[in-house]
Amino acid sequence: SSELTQDPAVSVALGQTVRITCQGDSLRFFFAGWYHQKPGLAPILVIYGRNNRPSGIPDRFSGSSSGNTTSLTITGAQAEDEGDYYCNSRDSSGKILLFGGGTKLTVL
Amino acid sequence: EVQVVESGGGLVQPGRSLRLSCGASGFTFDDYAMHWVRQAPGKGLEWVAGVSWDSGIIGYADSVKGRFTISRDNAKNSLYLQMHSLRTEDTALYFCAKDRTSYAFGDLDSWGQGTLVIVSS
Repeated sequence: SSELTQDPAVSVALGQTVRITCQGDSLRFFFAGWYHQKPGLAPILVIYGRNNRPSGIPDRFSGSSSGNTTSLTITGAQAEDEGDYYCNSRDSSGKILLFGGGTKLTVL
Repeated sequence: EVQVVESGGGLVQPGRSLRLSCGASGFTFDDYAMHWVRQAPGKGLEWVAGVSWDSGIIGYADSVKGRFTISRDNAKNSLYLQMHSLRTEDTALYFCAKDRTSYAFGDLDSWGQGTLVIVSS
């Protein structure tokens, strides 16, 4: 399969921990990237590789993977973490990028 | 500061063509692969096309293969997307994005604000 599957929506209480998952066959072989998008703005890369954060991304964001599933964990979610989260990965050809359908995170 | 800026969007009739451009600054353009990603109104992200630093690797989503052509001019620090036979379902905000690597397609670490393409009669 050349698809990445995400839960459409997740909610978390302010200050609590939330995990957002992404499933797909390509994830058995390639790491995923995770992106955060707020309404009206461009996506921002928050996690890449095994568990790497670009400069400026808070350390409450972390990534992990097992088998065909990759996860983004936010430890101590903040109000500004609301928005849509997307995973992406390359396919086996190396010439195609895949995006998950996105998960809408609500911080209560 | 890394910056990518898209241009060229607009209203176009079905079946017509349009060319998008992306100007890059703040990084060594020919060190990185580049991509186009689109987002239809109220929908998720869809990767459209990507090109390696030297144009040696080019890939397209099935939805645009044969209709769209991605290209780059490293001397001008510019990325392009030539779109032909446009369909109503191509209506979207088109983002230009920089890859973290030069050759393999992977993580997109800098994005423009997008240029809107509306395909309608």
